[in-house]
Amino acid sequence: EPEVTQTPSHQVTQMGQEVILRCVPISNHLYFYWYRQILGQKVEFLVSFYNNEISEKSEIFDDQFSVERPDGSNFTLKIRSTKLEDSAMYFCASSYRETEAFFGQGTRLTVV
Amino acid sequence: AQTVTQSQPEMSVQEAETVTLSCTYDTSESDYYLFWYKQPPSRQMILVIRQEAYKQQNATENRFSVNFQKAAKSFSLKISDSQLGDAAMYFCASMEYGNKLVFGAGTILRVKS
Repeated sequence: EPEVTQTPSHQVTQMGQEVILRCVPISNHLYFYWYRQILGQKVEFLVSFYNNEISEKSEIFDDQFSVERPDGSNFTLKIRSTKLEDSAMYFCASSYRETEAFFGQGTRLTVV
Repeated sequence: AQTVTQSQPEMSVQEAETVTLSCTYDTSESDYYLFWYKQPPSRQMILVIRQEAYKQQNATENRFSVNFQKAAKSFSLKISDSQLGDAAMYFCASMEYGNKLVFGAGTILRVKS
């Protein structure tokens, strides 16, 4: 069964460093999302992406964040200068329709 | 704005028994979708079941079923014949058409053998 794939599964980075989280959505999907979950808290929406542009973003998604779909298969989330509070589980999701979302296994980001 | 409330931080069930997890939501839209996601210790988010608000019939997926009460804005998940593998965090979520998922705080389900 097709699935959303995220790499790496765990990333440790120094505060102030740039990180890129990578996702390969399901191949025929059109809508792409990033969510995050700080440990012990609820899952929060970051950004949605459709037709090669951001369709919606949350207040969390400030200028430190960016997304890209550099080719036909990858979808990346970049954090330019990481802060301690960026430590969280980051989930990529994709869908064919605007009425569902299938999640990857997540990337655990630890900022030290 | 969408909101989702799960009032049960934790629930327990005996293996083979039935358990119901509660969820209420609020939305101003008439076209929306409701979901239950399972998050095991691996922290992956697994879609359990999905309900279209325009459908009166409750969704069912094998041992999982929902009780969708649209007027009351209630969307509970029933797990029948509970198994040890059902132990996880369960998140209720809503999605207005073309919009993002909004999640509840989650309910930890423990299954006793």
